[in-house]
Amino acid sequence: QVQLVQSGAVVQKPGASVKVSCKASGYTLTSYDITWVRQATGQGLEWMGWMNPNTGNTGYAQKFQGRVTMTRDTSISTAYMELSSLTSDDTAVYYCARGRWVVAAGVGPTFCDYWGQGTLVTVSS
Amino acid sequence: QSALTQPRSVSGSPGQSVTISCTGTSSDVGAYNYVSWYQQYPGKAPKLIIYDVSKRPSGVPDRFSGSKSGNTASLTISGLQAEDEADYYCCSYAGSYTLRFGGGTKLTVL
Repeated sequence: QVQLVQSGAVVQKPGASVKVSCKASGYTLTSYDITWVRQATGQGLEWMGWMNPNTGNTGYAQKFQGRVTMTRDTSISTAYMELSSLTSDDTAVYYCARGRWVVAAGVGPTFCDYWGQGTLVTVSS
Repeated sequence: QSALTQPRSVSGSPGQSVTISCTGTSSDVGAYNYVSWYQQYPGKAPKLIIYDVSKRPSGVPDRFSGSKSGNTASLTISGLQAEDEADYYCCSYAGSYTLRFGGGTKLTVL
């Protein structure tokens, strides 16, 4: 069965960076994109961007441009999301999800069908 | 790039139907038939329940249905059950390889 297993909770200081991992199993990582979404406590879902694990191509939400980097290591079926220059506003649960595209139309991601369990990132001095 | 607009909360009694709206613009909901809906229980990851406006993934009960008219998409839950009490989020493709989520709606089963 398809599973996305994320790394554990982490506490970082303001100004630091955090790198969250997302290991895929039950399918081939390079066959679908990985989308990242975050959720601050008591708040809604916020789309951060996507990565094509096959090509390494990425697309980031304007809000995170210059501060987020999405990468992958296909040899271990793992995707990564690194966020830099952290502030307290970045305290949230970060989710990876498998993103689906309408390949024939070159449109996507259009929805996320499988999600990781989430990784709590706390930014505190 | 504002979030899609959803009501903060809706409620209904067991057996009734409820509808959650999701209002966007002509650049997202109105432009594409790529609206999806997610159900989220407290402390859990979101779960896909509707994609491409009205399609249901395998295993999702047919009590859940989706539709769209103009810039507004809707999720209808019929035959409401206690287990449907959760947060619901809409999401739309917004062009240029981007997605946009709604603010979320808390469903209370009375």
